[in-house]
Amino acid sequence: DTEVTQTPKHLVMGMTNKKSLKCEQHMGHRAMYWYKQKAKKPPELMFVYSYEKLSINESVPSRFSPECPNSSLLNLHLHALQPEDSALYLCASSLRGGGILAGELFFGEGSRLTVL
Amino acid sequence: GESVGLHLPTLSVQEGDNSIINCAYSNSASDYFIWYKQESGKGPQFIIDIRSNMDKRQGQRVTVLLNKTVKHLSLQIAATQPGDSAVYFCAENISGNTPLVFGKGTRLSVIA
Repeated sequence: DTEVTQTPKHLVMGMTNKKSLKCEQHMGHRAMYWYKQKAKKPPELMFVYSYEKLSINESVPSRFSPECPNSSLLNLHLHALQPEDSALYLCASSLRGGGILAGELFFGEGSRLTVL
Repeated sequence: GESVGLHLPTLSVQEGDNSIINCAYSNSASDYFIWYKQESGKGPQFIIDIRSNMDKRQGQRVTVLLNKTVKHLSLQIAATQPGDSAVYFCAENISGNTPLVFGKGTRLSVIA
């Protein structure tokens, strides 16, 4: 199994809603990532979990709350989002956390979020 | 030919020709580079990587060249096919505990 699975594929939510994005991998990878991607732009790093601990938070607003219940799962909890938060949210994993040792990132297909 | 639009540089190539996609990276301390391909509606997909102690690496139909002197990376695709149409991103990694940083991306459009 060489996949990173993200659900849901599409999500539409209002600014007062609470929703969650989910990500799962069964490759035994110990680092997991959330990236945000706007149209025609490169992915921008949001969070990194390494060995189930949050290791990097790229100054992301608190309306985005990551959670790593175990080494295979990564969630992104969403609350009180703004329309400008509409984007493709990509989850990725790598064998190890950090730097050149991280190696290749494996990406999921993304969750396309629309905030009304 | 290659053009720079308002948002994303685009390279148009005839089917069967070779493609060269270029990337200028920012940090001279970066020591690991990856090329990703992103098709419409999908996540980025690994193509090939190269470490800074190399200047060339070949895969199946793809070659990555690294010129550390001018901080330049290129991806060459041989015999470009319609299925190669996608956005291509280079990503760099500074040694240490830092994750990948993605470049701006180039859209490759293959003309059948």
